[in-house]
Amino acid sequence: GAGVSQSPSNKVTEKGKDVELRCDPISGHTALYWYRQSLGQGLEFLIYFQGNSAPDKSGLPSDRFSAERTGGSVSTLTIQRTQQEDSAVYLCASSIAPGNRDFNYGYTFGSGTRLTVV
Amino acid sequence: GQQVMQIPQYQHVQEGEDFTTYCNSSTTLSNIQWYKQRPGGHPVFLIQLVKSGEVKKQKRLTFQFGEAKKNSSLHITATQTTDVGTYFCPSPGAGSYQLTFGKGTKLSVIP
Repeated sequence: GAGVSQSPSNKVTEKGKDVELRCDPISGHTALYWYRQSLGQGLEFLIYFQGNSAPDKSGLPSDRFSAERTGGSVSTLTIQRTQQEDSAVYLCASSIAPGNRDFNYGYTFGSGTRLTVV
Repeated sequence: GQQVMQIPQYQHVQEGEDFTTYCNSSTTLSNIQWYKQRPGGHPVFLIQLVKSGEVKKQKRLTFQFGEAKKNSSLHITATQTTDVGTYFCPSPGAGSYQLTFGKGTKLSVIP
C-alpha cells in the first residue's frame, strides 16, 4: 500500500482479555518494527522483523507479548491477559531494509493503535 | 548502541521566534535521522544526515551534522504554530538494526 496501515485505530479491552494488533507495511519494505508510546513518553522499542524472522525479541516487555509476520508483509502483535499498564499507543513502522552498523533507512510509521485496558 | 542525548526536553517560544534542538553523542554516529510528531499523531521522517559537517535545509528548517559526527542540530527560523510537536533524533540501537527514540524535544509555539 501507499503507507503503513494499522488496525484497529482504537481498542478498549477489559483487563485479562487478549488483543491482536495488526500492521500492514509498505509493499516491498522488508523491515518492520513495533514500538509503543505511553502518554507523554518517548517510543519504546518492542520487536523488529526482517522478512518473517524476528532476530531480537528482547524488547518485548513480558512473555504476554508476542508477534509474528507472515509472507514478509502483515504483522500481528498479540498481548495476552492484558493489564492496565499495557495501555499505550502501539506504533508500527517499516523501512525498505534493516539498518546496519553504517546506515539506517528512514522509517515510515503507521497512525498507531491506541489501546486502553479498563 | 549509540546513545544520543537530546536537549532541551521542552521549549516554549513566541510565534516568530527561532528554535533550536540539539542531539549529542559520546561516540561517533554513522548517521542521524530527524522525525517530527505532531500532537496526537505519529512520527514522520524529516531527513537523514550522513556526512561530516553536512547541512541540509527544508524551508525554515536547517539540519546540521557536526564535523566529528557526534552531534546534530535542528534549527527552525521564525516558528509558526504548524511547527508545534515533538522532534526526535533517534540513534541506532544496540543491534544497529533498529532506531532508539528518546523523549525528544517538545516544542510549543505561543501565537
